[in-house]
Amino acid sequence: LAKTTQPISMDSYEGQEVNITCSHNNIATNDYITWYQQFPSQGPRFIIQGYKTKVTNEVASLFIPADRKSSTLSLPRVSLSDTAVYYCLVGDMVTGGFKTIFGAGTRLFVKA
Amino acid sequence: NAGVTQTPKFQVLKTGQSMTLQCAQDMNHEYMSWYRQDPGMGLRLIHYSVGAGITDQGEVPNGYNVSRSTTEDFPLRLLSAAPSQTSVYFCASSPLAAASNQPQHFGDGTRLSIL
Repeated sequence: LAKTTQPISMDSYEGQEVNITCSHNNIATNDYITWYQQFPSQGPRFIIQGYKTKVTNEVASLFIPADRKSSTLSLPRVSLSDTAVYYCLVGDMVTGGFKTIFGAGTRLFVKA
Repeated sequence: NAGVTQTPKFQVLKTGQSMTLQCAQDMNHEYMSWYRQDPGMGLRLIHYSVGAGITDQGEVPNGYNVSRSTTEDFPLRLLSAAPSQTSVYFCASSPLAAASNQPQHFGDGTRLSIL
């Protein structure tokens, strides 16, 4: 299983773009990169997933360079409600032994 | 849509007591898992299952048992509760597809305190 490294915490202001980078130097060929968001007292919620290049949905964008050893979650124009913990996961449900491992995540605090 | 339902939402136990945390999903997902989350920490995988009758250990399985008799249900049993098991427990499910890593759907958690 590829280990991931993320910043422990980040601060931002409303309306700014936030970029959270995750390092995964030992990513395997079959591994996907998945990001979850967790609000206090709630379970994690899937945000976005990608394998390479760029993925965009209505919530965020995910940038993955060609070597796939890192990825960046981009949240456009954050609001106070984006204050949460963001988890980066790397793995493959088939060849990775079905063990999905969460790290400590990045605590994002958005200020007014 | 109910999604993943966990019961109870809160529970207080005494040391040595046993109990079962319930988890049910109505999405016909093959994969189900249990995590614990201690204050200020990430989630740690306890047990998981890839289908009815199949279970396996995660990172922190000691003190917990699971079974998977149906696709829908995946109960977690604490055999003899200890204060170190005070935590928030999350159940999750996902399809099991060969083509990609399927995102998991999480329940709202069970907050367990052991005195």
